Amino acid sequence: QVQLQESGPGLVKPSQTLSLTCTVSGGSISSSNYYWSWIRQPAGKGLEWIGRIYTSGSTNYNPSLKSRVTISVDTSKNQFSLKLSSVTAADTAVYYCATIVPAALSFDPWGQGTLVTVSS
Amino acid sequence: QSALTQPPSASGSPGQSVTISCTGTSSDVGGYNYVSWYQQYPGKAPKVMIYEVSKRPSGVPDRFSGSKSGNTASLTVSGLQAEDEADYYCSSYAGTNNYVFGTGTKVTVL
Repeated sequence: QVQLQESGPGLVKPSQTLSLTCTVSGGSISSSNYYWSWIRQPAGKGLEWIGRIYTSGSTNYNPSLKSRVTISVDTSKNQFSLKLSSVTAADTAVYYCATIVPAALSFDPWGQGTLVTVSS
Repeated sequence: QSALTQPPSASGSPGQSVTISCTGTSSDVGGYNYVSWYQQYPGKAPKVMIYEVSKRPSGVPDRFSGSKSGNTASLTVSGLQAEDEADYYCSSYAGTNNYVFGTGTKVTVL
């Protein structure tokens, strides 16, 4: 089974762009029949789906975040990335990457998560 | 899209059963058999316990079971054990390439 690992800055200033990368190991991102997804969780709160990308580059986003989100894939590095623009304190959360198994539409596995704080 | 509704908390004594509900709409839970359940320990990533309403991944104890009726899905944990104390989240495919999670339920083993 593939393993996922998030990386990126832990602190982002308000109005700037949050950028995170998810590195996939144990399998090729381009040959796996998965969707690659981002999910976030503010401290003490529930999970929120951000969006997903297929290896073809096709993307789908949460309508509530769509205007600020870009998810991309770099097959040469076996990575996919998240960019969230114009961030505010409300975007402070643990960000997870995860795979979506197409047949089951469930999230499995997940990365360990990375905390991003939006603060000046 | 609104989050699926779960009770904030549920509890039971060791050996007992606890059932958690997950209420959505005909556009998500009621419209698709793509409901999944996740267990999350503090500071850890969620782990899938049930997918496609009632299927268990390899390695998940058969004490965990899922079902659905109309717009409400349910997770039942039978024979509660101390290690089952965690937060549980449901998730559903919501159509048009969209997903929605539940509000989460904290399960306490008394």
